[in-house]
Amino acid sequence: DGGITQSPKYLFRKEGQNVTLSCEQNLNHDAMYWYRQDPGQGLRLIYYSQIVNDFQKGDIAEGYSVSREKKESFPLTVTSAQKNPTAFYLCASKIAGISYNEQFFGPGTRLTVL
Amino acid sequence: SQQGEEDPQALSIQEGENATMNCSYKTSINNLQWYRQNSGRGLVHLILIRSNEREKHSGRLRVTLDTSKKSSSLLITASRAADTASYFCATGRRAGGTSYGKLTFGQGTILTVHP
Repeated sequence: DGGITQSPKYLFRKEGQNVTLSCEQNLNHDAMYWYRQDPGQGLRLIYYSQIVNDFQKGDIAEGYSVSREKKESFPLTVTSAQKNPTAFYLCASKIAGISYNEQFFGPGTRLTVL
Repeated sequence: SQQGEEDPQALSIQEGENATMNCSYKTSINNLQWYRQNSGRGLVHLILIRSNEREKHSGRLRVTLDTSKKSSSLLITASRAADTASYFCATGRRAGGTSYGKLTFGQGTILTVHP
């Protein structure tokens, strides 16, 4: 089955630790996105990548880092510089190109700082 | 600030009734999309309407777009208990520059359909 997978589903982090959230897709999509969702809120864009080895900051990139070494993978690292990292993190992908607008989402990772 | 503002924030109806959710936005758009999110899950794309379209239908969903008022509405007809979820509008801006491919989401409407 084609789709987007995120792991782990739940993640607990101690203050001061870096953690990496995994996002993998087998849809052959070029573009990938990371969003953060806080309770009762919409999604805010952290980083996005239109092509391998290239990515851009979104609206709330501070305290996060990403890499895009493979087309199917777009891991997100939450660093100790992110002061309030507890949130629900969603990864998405879409076909690159102006005619394609629908984004496909993974099931999300819930990160809790202890 | 959020591009999309939705109202109501929460909507509670009985099964069989229609549910209407509204979304307003601030800047010029290329398209507007509606997504659904069940509690604790990822988002699922429902319908997309382009800036040159005024109305679009998909099954029990009807979306309207008024670019002069920068607003959209999502109507779910004959609602079912399984429609209970959060609904988000998301705007895609015109191509060009760094905004290409990005979506900006509203804060969502929580819909509860009682059996």
